[in-house]
Amino acid sequence: SSELTQDPAVSVALGQTVRITCQGDSLRSYYASWYQQKPGQAPVLVIYGESNRPSGIPDRFSGSSSGNTASLTITGAQAEDEADYYCNSRDSSGNHYVFGTGTKVTVL
Amino acid sequence: QVQLVQSGAEVKKPGASVRVSCKASGYTFASYDIDWVRQATGQGLEWMGWMNPNSGNTGYAQKFQGRVTMTRNTSISTVYMELSSLRSEDTAVYYCARGGLYCSSGNCNGDWFDPWGQGTLVSVSS
Repeated sequence: SSELTQDPAVSVALGQTVRITCQGDSLRSYYASWYQQKPGQAPVLVIYGESNRPSGIPDRFSGSSSGNTASLTITGAQAEDEADYYCNSRDSSGNHYVFGTGTKVTVL
Repeated sequence: QVQLVQSGAEVKKPGASVRVSCKASGYTFASYDIDWVRQATGQGLEWMGWMNPNSGNTGYAQKFQGRVTMTRNTSISTVYMELSSLRSEDTAVYYCARGGLYCSSGNCNGDWFDPWGQGTLVSVSS
């Protein structure tokens, strides 16, 4: 399958930990990258590779992978982390890309 | 700083074509792919294709094959995405993003898109 599946929505209490998952066959061969998108804004890369953060991304964001599932964890969620999160990886051909269905994170 | 700046909003009629530009600055233009992603209102991200500015090679998602063309002008560090035979379902915000490989211990098995352009709204309506 070329699809990446995410839970539509999750909520987390302020300061607590939330994990967002992304499932797909291609994740057995390729790492996922993760993007944060706030309303009206372009997506921002938050995690790529094993668990690499671009410059400026807080260390409360981390990534992991096991089998066909990639995960993005926010440890100590802040109000500003409320956003949509998308995973991305290669498709089954390995030549094209596909985005996950997206997860809306609400910080309570 | 690394930056991608896109052209402005477009309004088109069904059946027409639209060309969106993406001007890169702050890095060596030829060293990274440019990918295009679109997002309809209230919907998720949809990958459309990539272009290698150095070689001019392209790769398009099957959904857009035959309707999308990506080109570049290296003298002004700009990539263009043209979508033809527009229909109402093509109404969306179109983003360009710089694409790179993740490699570890000689194995390249990941990718990333960073940064993204500000987005270009393309509206298709009769």
